[in-house]
Amino acid sequence: NAGVTQTPKFQVLKTGQSMTLQCAQDMNHEYMSWYRQDPGMGLRLIHYSVGAGITDQGEVPNGYNVSRSTTEDFPLRLLSAAPSQTSVYFCASSYSGGTSHPRVVYEQYFGPGTRLTVT
Amino acid sequence: GDSVTQMEGPVTLSEEAFLTINCTYTATGYPSLFWYVQYPGEGLQLLLKATKADDKGSNKGFEATYRKETTSFHLEKGSVQVSDSAVYFCALSGPRDDKIIFGKGTRLHILP
Repeated sequence: NAGVTQTPKFQVLKTGQSMTLQCAQDMNHEYMSWYRQDPGMGLRLIHYSVGAGITDQGEVPNGYNVSRSTTEDFPLRLLSAAPSQTSVYFCASSYSGGTSHPRVVYEQYFGPGTRLTVT
Repeated sequence: GDSVTQMEGPVTLSEEAFLTINCTYTATGYPSLFWYVQYPGEGLQLLLKATKADDKGSNKGFEATYRKETTSFHLEKGSVQVSDSAVYFCALSGPRDDKIIFGKGTRLHILP
């Protein structure tokens, strides 16, 4: 049971480049989310998904796209990288409230993070 | 909306000292409460949780009690070790939320 995996672990991009951060989980969790962590800012929610085919914006969605075609995978796409997107990115997953309460989220399991630098 | 406030750090203690990290929350209804820990270079790990009033979560010598009357979930440990040096996040998940609300984190340094 690998839990939540993220690739790559480190990435350096030039301004304007695009890339996709990969996230996968093998716990059959309905709920998945992406956060960015910056010094002194704590965790900020970028996008989240309560199930396959459903995505929602979080606190800081601009410049990022997501899709959820399967339960296991939740990739994060940077459309045109900017220096302000230099950060550590964490993917997380959890059970939700099921069909009766799909938007209730329980404790989250985090991946090891991707450290992204945009120059 | 729902929110979490935790004490700012860094907190520096000597080994074997008593630890308290304060956390208070604002939420409608009865949220679930969590403490997460982040060791250097790693992702967050769930440390403990409590899902209803007066519940006590505990793990690795850490404890926190869900206090509805004071809307608090303070983290305590009787005798800290150097290996407890990390960032600690208080968080909540409300019955009407579709996301977990995190505090800003408290960095803890333990000196040998």
